Amino acid sequence: GAGVSQTPSNKVTEKGKYVELRCDPISGHTALYWYRQSLGQGPEFLIYFQGTGAADDSGLPNDRFFAVRPEGSVSTLKIQRTERGDSAVYLCASSSGQQETQYFGPGTRLLVL
Amino acid sequence: DQQVKQNSPSLSVQEGRISILNCDYTNSMFDYFLWYKKYPAEGPTFLISISSIKDKNEDGRFTVFLNKSAKHLSLHIVPSQPGDSAVYFCAAKNTGGFKTIFGAGTRLFVKA
Repeated sequence: GAGVSQTPSNKVTEKGKYVELRCDPISGHTALYWYRQSLGQGPEFLIYFQGTGAADDSGLPNDRFFAVRPEGSVSTLKIQRTERGDSAVYLCASSSGQQETQYFGPGTRLLVL
Repeated sequence: DQQVKQNSPSLSVQEGRISILNCDYTNSMFDYFLWYKKYPAEGPTFLISISSIKDKNEDGRFTVFLNKSAKHLSLHIVPSQPGDSAVYFCAAKNTGGFKTIFGAGTRLFVKA
């Protein structure tokens, strides 16, 4: 079956612009995670959804970052007023439950010029 | 504050030999540990895990060892194959929580 997909695969934007990154989880997976991976680092937790609600958003770096999952499936990570330091690979993962194995998408590589 | 540390950025091993990747953690609340493998331009893929009630878990060529008193775990790959060349991430979590904390990764090169 289909795995986790993320679009776009690459995004180049200018400082100050708004971007949206999309994640399509594995069908039926109730848990969805967003991570950010900077160069030379491991994935850094941003937010966790159980169903439609954000159960833990403590990893979001500041209020420019926001994520939604309105129907409990697709999720969108939104970044306002992008800064050069936001440049990273944004990874999405889903699982069938909080304690279950997370399956990662290929990521969206964001470059803020 | 890095709660999960992988102090070796890279490791080179001859095909057929054993690869040993190490990981240390600082948070004593962690009770579940995972290893992920990542190829370029792909997301991390789950490899093997271990609960803190065990000190060893084996799956084919992959074995993870956990030393709770030392807050140390290691991944052994034997025999190593060229297709094992990838970045390996150690990760940890508290089974009652949501967050999984990843190390910075170790890049493994298996030479044919």
